[in-house]
Amino acid sequence: EVQLVESGGGLVQPGRSLRLSCAASGFTFDDYAMHWVRQAPGKGLEWVSGISWNSGSIGYADSVKGRFTISRDNAKNSLYLQMNSLRAEDTALYYCAKDIGRIVGAQGAFDIWGQGTMVTVSS
Amino acid sequence: SYVLTQPPSVSVAPGKTARITCGGNNIGSKSVHWYQQKPGQAPVLVIYYDSDRPSGIPERFSGSNSGNTATLTISRVEAGDEADYYCQVWDSSSDHSFYVFGTGTKVTVL
Repeated sequence: EVQLVESGGGLVQPGRSLRLSCAASGFTFDDYAMHWVRQAPGKGLEWVSGISWNSGSIGYADSVKGRFTISRDNAKNSLYLQMNSLRAEDTALYYCAKDIGRIVGAQGAFDIWGQGTMVTVSS
Repeated sequence: SYVLTQPPSVSVAPGKTARITCGGNNIGSKSVHWYQQKPGQAPVLVIYYDSDRPSGIPERFSGSNSGNTATLTISRVEAGDEADYYCQVWDSSSDHSFYVFGTGTKVTVL
């Protein structure tokens, strides 16, 4: 079964850090680009970051650039998001999503999604 | 930055046809993808590359894209189609490239 399982969310104070993980199974992880997409409570979807199959191409939304770092470990079939200097506006459900292609920016769609991990930034 | 505009809501009777629009500057030159999200669930890809359907998605779902508007059409609407729908594109027209989601449309089955 193709599956993505996120973990690492929680309640964190503004300015602190958090690291999200996404464990992939049921497909050849290192054949595909991967992404993080978030959804604030009651709001729409927002792309956060994406990484190509070999980590050769990485992209970030302007709202997180310089604060968040995406990475992957193909040997562990895992995707990560290091989130630093967290703000209240980063509060959201964070989804891990698989691209249908290998490259970030190839106009690909996201065909597999995890159930998400909730991040709440509050003092 | 590139903006995708969707109507906030669409209401449709069972068995009828729902059309959800996604407006963007020259969107016809881009590949458009559509997602369905039911309450409390993760999004599901229902149309990719304007009009292709992933395996398992009913033929009732179709898509088109031309000019400044892309459209998701749901034929013979069923109660189970009630959900939020989002369009999405990759934009590299500005000095920064990124993935853009539409504002979302809530489809209500009457």
